[in-house]
Amino acid sequence: AQRVTQPEKLLSVFKGAPVELKCNYSYSGSPELFWYVQYSRQRLQLLLRHISRESIKGFTADLNKGETSFHLKKPFAQEEDSAMYYCALRDPFSGGYNKLIFGAGTRLAVHP
Amino acid sequence: SQTIHQWPATLVQPVGSPLSLECTVEGTSNPNLYWYRQAAGRGLQLLFYSVGIGQISSEVPQNLSASRPQDRQFILSSKKLLLSDSGFYLCAWGDGVSNEQFFGPGTRLTVL
Repeated sequence: AQRVTQPEKLLSVFKGAPVELKCNYSYSGSPELFWYVQYSRQRLQLLLRHISRESIKGFTADLNKGETSFHLKKPFAQEEDSAMYYCALRDPFSGGYNKLIFGAGTRLAVHP
Repeated sequence: SQTIHQWPATLVQPVGSPLSLECTVEGTSNPNLYWYRQAAGRGLQLLFYSVGIGQISSEVPQNLSASRPQDRQFILSSKKLLLSDSGFYLCAWGDGVSNEQFFGPGTRLTVL
């Protein structure tokens, strides 16, 4: 079965430091991947998706099919980036149901 | 614009009591609907999904059930709650096209 792995439960950095949240997936085909974010007392929301190839709030994520990874990066972390981040893979066999497979999440804590 | 509501926001129930959590979507028609349980360190576990009225698919065997009595209403139920049913329950909708899912505010359920 397809799986999404986020190896770090907690990532703690200082403001201004680079950030990399790791995500690995298991699927041999062409994946559709997402990063979702949940700020304190807010709803889970989409941060970015790989097909958009865009930068949101300074975050980027590049799909590496060879390493089956979709790491989320930001060159200079800000305190407001502190949140829970989830990597998700669209279940390629879910058809029109469009099910998502989520990783366990990584809590990012940015300290002043 | 589309919105998704969940209620109640928090609920404390005794073991063996029934459960009914409600989710409603506004501003869209014929959405895909999803129920997730969010557990610390375990990410989001998909419980049920639905692509239409009366159509429910279950992801994992459990003590819970779901129903979709109306196009934009999704209900999570149990006849007799277990301690292990405690958790944070999220409802989400998707348009079946963009593959993005939009999440509600969640319900914190505590079974005592």
